[in-house]
Amino acid sequence: GAVVSQHPSRVICKSGTSVKIECRSLDFQATTMFWYRQFPKQSLMLMATSNEGSKATYEQGVEKDKFLINHASLTLSTLTVTSAHPEDSSFYICSARMADAYEQYFGPGTRLTVT
Amino acid sequence: DQQVKQNSPSLSVQEGRISILNCDYTNSMFDYFLWYKKYPAEGPTFLISISSIKDKNEDGRFTVFLNKSAKHLSLHIVPSQPGDSAVYFCAARRNTGNQFYFGTGTSLTVIP
Repeated sequence: GAVVSQHPSRVICKSGTSVKIECRSLDFQATTMFWYRQFPKQSLMLMATSNEGSKATYEQGVEKDKFLINHASLTLSTLTVTSAHPEDSSFYICSARMADAYEQYFGPGTRLTVT
Repeated sequence: DQQVKQNSPSLSVQEGRISILNCDYTNSMFDYFLWYKKYPAEGPTFLISISSIKDKNEDGRFTVFLNKSAKHLSLHIVPSQPGDSAVYFCAARRNTGNQFYFGTGTSLTVIP
């Protein structure tokens, strides 16, 4: 149980375009979803926290207009990287948490490459 | 500012022996800790957790120890198996929020 999927697993896009990444909890309802970014050989950095039906809370230094997060249902959250630039190239990972639980269950990640 | 530190980037252990992965933290407000295991190009997988009210939690071959006074936790894997080879992250949560702070990971290699 507690499976989280992400789509796509890899995406290559041109500079200036927008990319949408989906995160789904497959067998549980996720009241809270988190989006992380990981640079090579570095730890996961939390970008934002989203609760179903409300606006996402962004961490300091994360541009909310650039990284649009929508948590429209208890099983789906999306991250849209708008006007992507090469420096946005990274590994993006989502996680999901059930109500009244501490553990976060992670998706497999999405490798974004902006050319 | 790295509040959770894993000072050993890598560790090699012989199959059957004990693997000990260490994690140090700086914030005394952390009250919940987790260990995750991560294979290349995959998301982290939850392994084991411990609350600050405990000093030990055991699950099969995995045991996590917490020393609050030293702000240190460790993950023991015994006996180690080749399939345990992965990157292990520790994470800590502050008692006033949702955010988990992750360490930089330790790459464990179990040699057959």
